[in-house]
Amino acid sequence: NAGVTQTPKFRVLKTGQSMTLLCAQDMNHEYMYWYRQDPGMGLRLIHYSVGEGTTAKGEVPDGYNVSRLKKQNFLLGLESAAPSQTSVYFCASSYSGSGNEQFFGPGTRLTVL
Amino acid sequence: GNSVTQMEGPVTLSEEAFLTINCTYTATGYPSLFWYVQYPGEGLQLLLKATKADDKGSNKGFEATYRKETTSFHLEKGSVQVSDSAVYFCARQRGVYNQGGKLIFGQGTELSVKP
Repeated sequence: NAGVTQTPKFRVLKTGQSMTLLCAQDMNHEYMYWYRQDPGMGLRLIHYSVGEGTTAKGEVPDGYNVSRLKKQNFLLGLESAAPSQTSVYFCASSYSGSGNEQFFGPGTRLTVL
Repeated sequence: GNSVTQMEGPVTLSEEAFLTINCTYTATGYPSLFWYVQYPGEGLQLLLKATKADDKGSNKGFEATYRKETTSFHLEKGSVQVSDSAVYFCARQRGVYNQGGKLIFGQGTELSVKP
């Protein structure tokens, strides 16, 4: 049982390049989330999904797109990377229902030059 | 603005000292409250939670009580260890009713424990 995994662990992009971050979970969770973590700002929700085939915007969705074609996977795309997207990105998943714990992946450190 | 506020860090303590990290929140109703911990180079993991007013969450010697009168959920530990050095995040459920399980996080408090 691997929990939540993320690939890649590190990436450096040039401004304007695109990339996709992959999140996978093997806990059969309905809900999945993408966050970014920046110094002094805690975690901010980018997009989330409440089930296969569904996605919704979080607090800071601009410049990102997501897809949830399979229940276990949640992809985060950057179509045209900007230096402001330099951050650490975390994926998380949880069972449905209120008050449930979110399980986090190890993170992806992205630098945009 | 952010509706979860934590005391600013970094907090530096000696081993076996008493720890308090303050957390207050604003909300309508009584959302579930959480403390997460992030060890260096890792993702967040749940430390403890409380799902209703007056509940006490506890784990690994840490405790926090859901206080609706003061809208607080302060984290405490009686005797910290070097291995407790990490960043601690307070969080609350985004809505009282289930809204996709979303959480609002505080900015995090870095704790450093010296031998």
